[in-house]
Amino acid sequence: DQQVKQNSPSLSVQEGRISILNCDYTNSMFDYFLWYKKYPAEGPTFLISISSIKDKNEDGRFTVFLNKSAKHLSLHIVPSQPGDSAVYFCAASKYNFNKFYFGSGTKLNVKP
Amino acid sequence: GAGVSQSPSNKVTEKGKDVELRCDPISGHTALYWYRQSLGQGLEFLIYFQGNSAPDKSGLPSDRFSAERTGGSVSTLTIQRTQQEDSAVYLCASSGGGAGYETQYFGPGTRLLVL
Repeated sequence: DQQVKQNSPSLSVQEGRISILNCDYTNSMFDYFLWYKKYPAEGPTFLISISSIKDKNEDGRFTVFLNKSAKHLSLHIVPSQPGDSAVYFCAASKYNFNKFYFGSGTKLNVKP
Repeated sequence: GAGVSQSPSNKVTEKGKDVELRCDPISGHTALYWYRQSLGQGLEFLIYFQGNSAPDKSGLPSDRFSAERTGGSVSTLTIQRTQQEDSAVYLCASSGGGAGYETQYFGPGTRLLVL
């Protein structure tokens, strides 16, 4: 039973435009949500996170939005750059951080 | 180095053989996690260590899989009698210390191929 889902396996965006990556979850007990970025042959690297007590967190070009009632979060990248091309994973955890649930990833391609 | 390291980076083995994968976490990180990523799939949680103890082993797929952590540092993941479906990238992550537990730092992974 997959508790975190990323329904779009891929996304293609023109450089300079906005990239919106989506993630849905089923467990209302999750307290913390994260986005990771992964390049080929490397481990995922942390990008941005949000606590369940917030609905928005912004860090430079990256903003994460959390809609608890819809059990949905999204990552906005503005403006998108070719170097942003990677696989993006969303993840969720309870506050004990004993276990993280990851989505299946969305491959973002930013075209020059 | 300052990051999480894993060895070997690649491992090819024959079905039925045992393999041992190693993870060196970031110094001072008390939490350590193992994940598996099969081709085209997301990260599948395997096991979590806090110090040397493993409070959550719920993700280990079968009793052929085991893991240990000694000295609160290095961890090894052992797969006995490997099967072809064990072929995947095995990722290790650590967290804790001054950086908090919510952000995991991942190693580059070990790519396991079982022939």
